Amino acid sequence: EAQVTQNPRYLITVTGKKLTVTCSQNMNHEYMSWYRQDPGLGLRQIYYSMNVEVTDKGDVPEGYKVSRKEKRNFPLILESPSPNQTSLYFCASSHGTSGLYNEQFFGPGTRLTVL
Amino acid sequence: QQQVKQSPQSLIVQKGGISIINCAYENTAFDYFPWYQQFPGKGPALLIAIRPDVSEKKEGRFTISFNKSAKQFSLHIMDSQPGDSATYFCAASRGSARQLTFGSGTQLTVLP
Repeated sequence: EAQVTQNPRYLITVTGKKLTVTCSQNMNHEYMSWYRQDPGLGLRQIYYSMNVEVTDKGDVPEGYKVSRKEKRNFPLILESPSPNQTSLYFCASSHGTSGLYNEQFFGPGTRLTVL
Repeated sequence: QQQVKQSPQSLIVQKGGISIINCAYENTAFDYFPWYQQFPGKGPALLIAIRPDVSEKKEGRFTISFNKSAKQFSLHIMDSQPGDSATYFCAASRGSARQLTFGSGTQLTVLP
């Protein structure tokens, strides 16, 4: 089954404790992205990657890091989480080379709480 | 500054009625306007999308109306069903960039 998977689905942590949220897709997509969803704000892009070893900032990159060492994986790293990073996080992927209007496929989400 | 403004924030419709959600954008470089549907506990999923060279696109009960001069687009759900109850997001992107700018979302409830 074609899908985007995220782990963990739920995470409660404390301020300053480094964490990583993993994202993996099995559709051989070039493009991957991370969003955070907050009430009243919709989804905002954190980082995106056009291909392996190619990453760029989205609209709200502060406090986050990413890496793209393999095509299928795009982990989101919070080096020193703070309470304002409490949010619902989504990973998404799409084809990057076949036209302009490629559908983005979203993972199931990771609900993060930073105490 | 929010580049895509969506309204209403919430919408309650009777079964069989028409649901209408509106979005307005500011960046005239946007050239792709998708709508995503999100059920509780799930990620958003593409529902329907339109390019600015057409004024309307219909897929089953779902229709996008696009007004380029007004920089507005809307989603119409005909014969709304309880199974349509979800959060709907409009979005926009430009050119070959995959970066989607989302609206703030509309929580639709269709009463049986």
